[in-house]
Amino acid sequence: DADVTQTPRNRITKTGKRIMLECSQTKGHDRMYWYRQDPGLGLRLIYYSFDVKDINKGEISDGYSVSRQAQAKFSLSLESAIPNQTALYFCATNPLGRPSSYNSPLHFGNGTRLTVT
Amino acid sequence: AQSVAQPEDQVNVAEGNPLTVKCTYSVSGNPYLFWYVQYPNRGLQFLLKYITGDNLVKGSYGFEAEFNKSQTSFHLKKPSALVSDSALYFCAVRDMSGAGNNRKLIWGLGTSLAVNP
Repeated sequence: DADVTQTPRNRITKTGKRIMLECSQTKGHDRMYWYRQDPGLGLRLIYYSFDVKDINKGEISDGYSVSRQAQAKFSLSLESAIPNQTALYFCATNPLGRPSSYNSPLHFGNGTRLTVT
Repeated sequence: AQSVAQPEDQVNVAEGNPLTVKCTYSVSGNPYLFWYVQYPNRGLQFLLKYITGDNLVKGSYGFEAEFNKSQTSFHLKKPSALVSDSALYFCAVRDMSGAGNNRKLIWGLGTSLAVNP
């Protein structure tokens, strides 16, 4: 079983719809992240969370919101989807603690491919 | 400004030949450097990292990378390429100057490696 599971794997939705992408992890990591990947633009950070009560905006948070329901779950919502949110979305985790989590690699899920028509 | 450059969008190499995927960076403090690989329809997987110490680091699947402080580079190498190495490779750097949340991970745009039989 995957350590970081994203659902759904693929989603097609219409402009204006609200959708939620879900991420769960069995690694016991405190830190969780949402990224989007676009061809030619690489990975861009949307939101991140260092703990259940901690939510932080990344570089492209407009149009998105997140919920950290538990240590193991981190959901990304698009309140009103638009076509330029068509992308591949990744959830990632890494541990908090010693040594510094700054040198701990990220563990990624397999992604959700979202298409907004 | 902090940045990571992967100057080649695509690298082509024959199976059995050595491969190099280039990465240069610009940060104001000491860098933590990472390489990740992404296979089709999968999330990114960690390959190796440089934090401190020996400039040559070895990672998964026979890959290695050399940290060159004077040239601000961290090129990924493998002595003998395999067709199965064909994938998208990402370099990432964390600038360890500044406080906590300013130590963000900065991603390159990726290099597509094609290993030809």
